[in-house]
Amino acid sequence: AQSVTQLDSQVPVFEEAPVELRCNYSSSVSVYLFWYVQYPNQGLQLLLKYLSGSTLVKGINGFEAEFNKSQTSFHLRKPSVHISDTAEYFCAVSRTSGDKLIFGTGTRLQVFP
Amino acid sequence: ETGVTQSPTHLIKTRGQQVTLRCSSQSGHNTVSWYQQALGQGPQFIFQYYREEENGRGNFPPRFSGLQFPNYSSELNVNALELDDSALYLCASSLGLAGGRGDTQYFGPGTRLTVL
Repeated sequence: AQSVTQLDSQVPVFEEAPVELRCNYSSSVSVYLFWYVQYPNQGLQLLLKYLSGSTLVKGINGFEAEFNKSQTSFHLRKPSVHISDTAEYFCAVSRTSGDKLIFGTGTRLQVFP
Repeated sequence: ETGVTQSPTHLIKTRGQQVTLRCSSQSGHNTVSWYQQALGQGPQFIFQYYREEENGRGNFPPRFSGLQFPNYSSELNVNALELDDSALYLCASSLGLAGGRGDTQYFGPGTRLTVL
């Protein structure tokens, strides 16, 4: 079975500062990894995904994530955040393409001016 | 290209009632998945439908049931509503096998269900 742990429930940061949202996963098989963002009162939007290949994945809105197999991590980073990045961020895994997604509990990113 | 849409956006029911939530898949998508997101939690997988057949189910009781129609739109039905069913219900569609390894689930805006 797969599971996802998001280590920080909230991350406060000032505008234009860098940010890292942490995600660790547990699985006995290879998995696909995803980051989704949820703005207030909205559904989930895909930021980026890792299927295979290069461990550094670039996504939308300037976000990127690095897959680290030895540490079973998939941390999300952005070098300079904006007020508009304030949202809930979810890390997720799936066993195969199109399979059910298993989500972490989310990290609330709060960007202050 | 039309995205995933869900209706209604909000719904209030009382305990013991039944509810039907609807989802219209993104154009060309034949697979739909439903998730329940309780307040402050990540989404939990309820079930998935592929070409009108159930294709996997999460840890939810039988009073949660679904349908997928020939046009790949979908319904989630919940019978005998309980207070703990209050949540945001999310629908996601994908290409299924046609999407290959890169298949991705695209989410709708959700239906907020409140059970009183």
